[in-house]
Amino acid sequence: QSVLTQPPSVSGAPGQRVTISCTGTSSNIGAGYDVHWYQQLPGTAPKLLIFANTNRPSGVPDRFSGSRSGTSASLAITGLQAEDEADYYCQSNDSSLSGVFGGGTKVTVL
Amino acid sequence: QITLKESGPTLVKPTQTLTLTCTFSGFSLRTTGVGVGWIRQPPGKALEWLALIYWNDDKRYSPSLKSRVTITKDASKNQVVLTMTNMDPVDTATYFCAHGGDAFDIWGQGTMVTVSS
Repeated sequence: QSVLTQPPSVSGAPGQRVTISCTGTSSNIGAGYDVHWYQQLPGTAPKLLIFANTNRPSGVPDRFSGSRSGTSASLAITGLQAEDEADYYCQSNDSSLSGVFGGGTKVTVL
Repeated sequence: QITLKESGPTLVKPTQTLTLTCTFSGFSLRTTGVGVGWIRQPPGKALEWLALIYWNDDKRYSPSLKSRVTITKDASKNQVVLTMTNMDPVDTATYFCAHGGDAFDIWGQGTMVTVSS
């Protein structure tokens, strides 16, 4: 049981926009801790996609965007591409000063 | 270029202690602000945050595993070590180390650890 709640799966056709929610509590996201997002392709290590809620590391396409509000955060993928098919995880910290992850969301490109 | 690589046993018996080493290059754990963390992922399941150590020896642990996990560093060797006691089959997972503190920007390839008698 992950601390942060994500939908198990989302899907969309190529070119469409999909969003992934990440719901926390007043002990983590709601306490103001930043949210980060990772993309994990099958059989590989996670890759940082968004850090500190809205920021993209160098090399990450601007099709990926993040937001945070209250006790939740979201990752949006616009112009969905076949190569975006992967698992996505949100991460934050909580009041115990440890990190917490979401349960992951599998994105399927139809 | 930052790289990290995990090493350790691939198979441990129940009740044994697991020791994993993360050997890194491209940064120093003597540099202010730098941290290295451990994350694991059971087969087919989600990521789980385990522990984090900072340049100043500040250590953070997952509350659910705090009694079993210890993280240490040897900055002179560019290594971070994770020990986990009383291993159980549910601890079977790929264990990753990663550079960062709040967010992990560079990850190792991971090492698969199976707990079985």
